[in-house]
Amino acid sequence: SQKIEQNSEALNIQEGKTATLTCNYTNYSPAYLQWYRQDPGRGPVFLLLIRENEKEKRKERLKVTFDTTLKQSLFHITASQPADSATYLCALAGDSNYQLIWGAGTKLIIKP
Amino acid sequence: DGGITQSPKYLFRKEGQNVTLSCEQNLNHDAMYWYRQDPGQGLRLIYYSQIVNDFQKGDIAEGYSVSREKKESFPLTVTSAQKNPTAFYLCASSITREQETQYFGPGTRLLVL
Repeated sequence: SQKIEQNSEALNIQEGKTATLTCNYTNYSPAYLQWYRQDPGRGPVFLLLIRENEKEKRKERLKVTFDTTLKQSLFHITASQPADSATYLCALAGDSNYQLIWGAGTKLIIKP
Repeated sequence: DGGITQSPKYLFRKEGQNVTLSCEQNLNHDAMYWYRQDPGQGLRLIYYSQIVNDFQKGDIAEGYSVSREKKESFPLTVTSAQKNPTAFYLCASSITREQETQYFGPGTRLLVL
């Protein structure tokens, strides 16, 4: 069955450093992959989308890579700030239907 | 302000009771979705609607029902047949089903008394 894995353990990073989150998937050939941010008790907010034929996407301090051979996406936040602390979700969609399959998310904690 | 609103923020259900969660959007989006979020799990799709008066079951539709009588509104009813309803419920919309970005409401937390 299709499966998406994100690190279930919280990631603690010192302010100013680069945070890197991982999203691995199996039994799936996604047309694209998205990253969302979710704060406690709130709905997810869209951050970035990367397509299967793209290797890398950037937006301000955010960078996403997509390796379809490794079946992995990496999400980087450079010059991290305490305000970046949140749970980050990855979601994949196939090209035969548009249903998103979601990872459970990784909690990121940026320490001052 | 454009966006998605959900109400109530918290909802308590008694045994055997049906409850309805509200979702309204003023983004003029055709597609709307209901997800359930449980601790340690990814979002799971309950129902989605691509257009008014049409909706489709998602992966976990049993014990839930929806309607889409207006473009702006997509209420979710949690019926007494749903034996484990305690969860965080999220409503989302996108311009169309094929448009990738989904916009989420603030969520409703449903608790069983």
